[in-house]
Amino acid sequence: DVKVTQSSRYLVKRTGEKVFLECVQDMDHENMFWYRQDPGLGLRLIYFSYDVKMKEKGDIPEGYSVSREKKERFSLILESASTNQTSMYLCASSPYSGTNEKLFFGSGTQLSVL
Amino acid sequence: RKEVEQDPGPFNVPEGATVAFNCTYSNSASQSFFWYRQDCRKEPKLLMSVYSSGNEDGRFTAQLNRASQYISLLIRDSKLSDSATYLCVVINYNAGNMLTFGGGTRLMVKP
Repeated sequence: DVKVTQSSRYLVKRTGEKVFLECVQDMDHENMFWYRQDPGLGLRLIYFSYDVKMKEKGDIPEGYSVSREKKERFSLILESASTNQTSMYLCASSPYSGTNEKLFFGSGTQLSVL
Repeated sequence: RKEVEQDPGPFNVPEGATVAFNCTYSNSASQSFFWYRQDCRKEPKLLMSVYSSGNEDGRFTAQLNRASQYISLLIRDSKLSDSATYLCVVINYNAGNMLTFGGGTRLMVKP
């Protein structure tokens, strides 16, 4: 069965801390994505990657960076966490089809920045 | 104006009822459309694609109205297990194949 695993379900950090959110997929998918989900705003794309060592900015990349050193792993980094980055973070992957129609999501990380 | 808009609800309906939600999109270049379902505290999962001619999957019917730029989801004979948030998704292939999500419509089916 398809699986996308996010390392933490809940995370509490302090303002200014560096935060790493890890995501691993076991489906050999080419494409990986990081979204954040906030009430009333839906899912917003932060960064995505179509290949190892490749990354592209999404709609809201400010304050975030990513790393994809291996095909199965896509990490989201908050260089200096701020309270407005408190959110649900969802990682997703999709096979290379050129359309990204079906995304497989991880179960999410609820990050609270105090 | 948001690119994809949905009524957040909640829609409270009794078991067995028929319920419909709409989703409007602002970009006329949008080319593919989907409904995702998200249970409380869970991740979104693809429910169904939406085709130009309309399509059914069991109790679920999806329709697309390109002229008015909206898609709809109809659920017949609602079950308690249908309680979830339904996310409307559009793709514009001329803009990088990225999915744009609506904010979701919450459905609560009551016994």
